[in-house]
Amino acid sequence: QVQLQESGPGLLKPSQTLSLTCTVSGDSIISGDFSWNWIRQHPGKGLEWIGYIFKSGGAYYNPSLKSRVTISLGTSQNQFSLKLTSVTAADTAVYYCARAEKDTIDLWGQGTLVTVSS
Amino acid sequence: DIQMTQSPSSLSASVGDRVTITCRASQSLYNYLNWFQQKPGQAPKLLIYSASGLQSGVPSRFSGSGSGTEFTLSISGLQPEDLGTYYCQQSYTTPLTFGGGTTVEIK
Repeated sequence: QVQLQESGPGLLKPSQTLSLTCTVSGDSIISGDFSWNWIRQHPGKGLEWIGYIFKSGGAYYNPSLKSRVTISLGTSQNQFSLKLTSVTAADTAVYYCARAEKDTIDLWGQGTLVTVSS
Repeated sequence: DIQMTQSPSSLSASVGDRVTITCRASQSLYNYLNWFQQKPGQAPKLLIYSASGLQSGVPSRFSGSGSGTEFTLSISGLQPEDLGTYYCQQSYTTPLTFGGGTTVEIK
């Protein structure tokens, strides 16, 4: 059974860089033809797709965040990461990592709350 | 970006009722439309893929229909465990986008 788990700091100050890692258990990121996604949800709000990466390393980002976002594969075959620079209070959200097949998101992590506050 | 509009934004229904949620896209998606259920404090869960495909393990009371720009999610025989927020999501093109959500409450 494949599972995803986000990890990283839960509290940041404005202007810092958000760094999160998603650990995939039960399978390898390179074993199938999936995209590995980051999605966020502002408190009490809807869902916003941040971007995804393929096992080849090719990545695609939401244009609304593209200038600040980097998604990369981890050093192991079971991790991928999100970096978001120059955070503000508007970046406070629950961040989810997720797996998709042909852009259909079929598996989600439990999510991790990141708060940006001075 | 493709804009996704859901209606209603919330509804209240009784156990056993049939519930229908609509999702409209700003351009044709063909059938590249998925539905998710999010229960309070949990991650979203895929219910319907490609407009009408029932995800494995999802009860058959959930069904999806539509194509192009208009889609519906139906729950036939609402159950107490169906409370939560339902989102549509287009998988036609990036950036992937979601509807604003429909919150389902049980009367």
